[in-house]
Amino acid sequence: GEDVEQSLFLSVREGDSSVINCTYTDSSSTYLYWYKQEPGAGLQLLTYIFSNMDMKQDQRLTVLLNKKDKHLSLRIADTQTGDSAIYFCAEREDTGRRALTFGSGTRLQVQP
Amino acid sequence: EPEVTQTPSHQVTQMGQEVILRCVPISNHLYFYWYRQILGQKVEFLVSFYNNEISEKSEIFDDQFSVERPDGSNFTLKIRSTKLEDSAMYFCASRVYNSPLHFGNGTRLTVT
Repeated sequence: GEDVEQSLFLSVREGDSSVINCTYTDSSSTYLYWYKQEPGAGLQLLTYIFSNMDMKQDQRLTVLLNKKDKHLSLRIADTQTGDSAIYFCAEREDTGRRALTFGSGTRLQVQP
Repeated sequence: EPEVTQTPSHQVTQMGQEVILRCVPISNHLYFYWYRQILGQKVEFLVSFYNNEISEKSEIFDDQFSVERPDGSNFTLKIRSTKLEDSAMYFCASRVYNSPLHFGNGTRLTVT
């Protein structure tokens, strides 16, 4: 079945860039997403990328997709303490199964 | 911005009791989902619902679970006889065709 893997923890200093990585196994993944979860809160959609794209930029967020290696990354420029949260990578294929498969989440800790 | 709303935010129930979790998806959305997240674990897919029927369900979604869209605006998840291991955060989500899933803030279910 599909699998999505992420590293569990990342610590950066305020003002630095953060890069959160994700790998997935399903070659028919069509959409890849990044969600943010703050403590006790729901899943907030940050950004997503369609599989025929290599890169997407949205203000401080840059998503890079390497489809050959099935690798997705989220770069947060000028990381702020308010960016501290768990970041989930998720994928969805466009054939058959239409539910999202989530990674285990990366906890980002931003130190002042 | 329209959002998915879930009630209650926290539900405590005794083992063996029935519980109904309620969701109001975004009004023009057509696809509806339930996910759950056991504390510290991955977000897991339970069920998807489209055109008034279940379109997909996971192995977690056994005979103890059911979903309903009773009135065109609410989308409910019922657990018939709760077990301790049903304690989790339950997330409702909705989307239109080929759009990302939008999640609610979740209902924390505690089974004692």
